[in-house]
Amino acid sequence: KQEVTQIPAALSVPEGENLVLNCSFTDSAIYNLQWFRQDPGKGLTSLLLIQSSQREQTSGRLNASLDKSSGRSTLYIAASQPGDSATYLCAVRGLDTGKLIFGQGTTLQVKP
Amino acid sequence: ETGVTQSPTHLIKTRGQQVTLRCSSQSGHNTVSWYQQALGQGPQFIFQYYREEENGRGNFPPRFSGLQFPNYSSELNVNALELDDSALYLCASSPIGVGETQYFGPGTRLLVL
Repeated sequence: KQEVTQIPAALSVPEGENLVLNCSFTDSAIYNLQWFRQDPGKGLTSLLLIQSSQREQTSGRLNASLDKSSGRSTLYIAASQPGDSATYLCAVRGLDTGKLIFGQGTTLQVKP
Repeated sequence: ETGVTQSPTHLIKTRGQQVTLRCSSQSGHNTVSWYQQALGQGPQFIFQYYREEENGRGNFPPRFSGLQFPNYSSELNVNALELDDSALYLCASSPIGVGETQYFGPGTRLLVL
């Protein structure tokens, strides 16, 4: 059974810092991995999707990497801003199903 | 904006009642999934519909049921509501074969008293 874990559960940093959010999964047989952002009480916004054959994806100040063999992904945020404050969720999709399995998220606070 | 809309935004029900939540997917997206997100948790997969047929189900009892319509809209029905059904319900649509990014709606917040 696939399990997804995100560490840390919460993170508080001063504005301008570079930071890394971690995601691990127990079954390496995945179709893809997706990182989402969720603002309080809101839906999910897709940030980056990495197919199982890819190693990383970049969008602006965000870079996500995938190491399928070790069951790990990281989301790197460069030069953090207060507007980056939100909960970040990673989710994996298995090979035989369209469902996403989510971690519990990392809640990020960027202080001005 | 993902183009996925959900209604209503908030809902209060009492235990034992029935509820219907609605989702309108983006045009051309023939797959819709529903998730339940309890406070402080990640979303949990309820089920997925592809071309109006159920195409996978998570660990939820039969009182959670769904429908998908030809116009890309869908419904989640929950019978015999329990207090633990209080959560944010999210629908997500995706176009099969196009990278398969799932696009989420804003969710419906359900409170069961």
